[in-house]
Amino acid sequence: DAKTTQPNSMESNEEEPVHLPCNHSTISGTDYIHWYRQLPSQGPEYVIHGLTSNVNNRMASLAIAEDRKSSTLILHRATLRDAAVYYCIPALYGQNFVFGPGTRLSVLP
Amino acid sequence: NAGVTQTPKFRVLKTGQSMTLLCAQDMNHEYMYWYRQDPGMGLRLIHYSVGEGTTAKGEVPDGYNVSRLKKQNFLLGLESAAPSQTSVYFCASSYRASWDTIYFGEGSWLTVV
Repeated sequence: DAKTTQPNSMESNEEEPVHLPCNHSTISGTDYIHWYRQLPSQGPEYVIHGLTSNVNNRMASLAIAEDRKSSTLILHRATLRDAAVYYCIPALYGQNFVFGPGTRLSVLP
Repeated sequence: NAGVTQTPKFRVLKTGQSMTLLCAQDMNHEYMYWYRQDPGMGLRLIHYSVGEGTTAKGEVPDGYNVSRLKKQNFLLGLESAAPSQTSVYFCASSYRASWDTIYFGEGSWLTVV
């Protein structure tokens, strides 16, 4: 399983963009890069995933480095509801998901 | 539109007691998972199932047993609870074990005294 490095915590102001980085230098060629988030007292929820190309959905964008050793989750306009722990998970199969400590995002009004 | 439902949501057990956590999903998913999350930590996989009648060990299986007699249900049992099993337990499911989205329940808070 690929190891990941994420900042322990980040802060953002409401309505501003947020870039959450993740290093996964040992990722294998078949691993997808998944991002999940966990709001307080809730189970994790899916945010986005990608393999090689940048991806966009209604929640966020995912920018993947050309060598796939790092990726960045982009929240275009942070809201208070986006305050959560964000997990970066390189894996192909669900049973290989490794939830590290993640990045705790605080959003300031 | 229930998704993944866990019961009970809260439970206090005495050391040595047994209990079963029930997970039910209504999305016709093949794969189901049980995780535990200790304070300030990420989730750790206890057991998982790739289909009805199958189970497999995850990262931290000791002290737990599971059963998947019906496709929609995944049971997690503690035969003799220990204080070290005080944690929040999350059940999850996905259509397949590959890149499909994993859907999580809301969690079950278990305290062993």
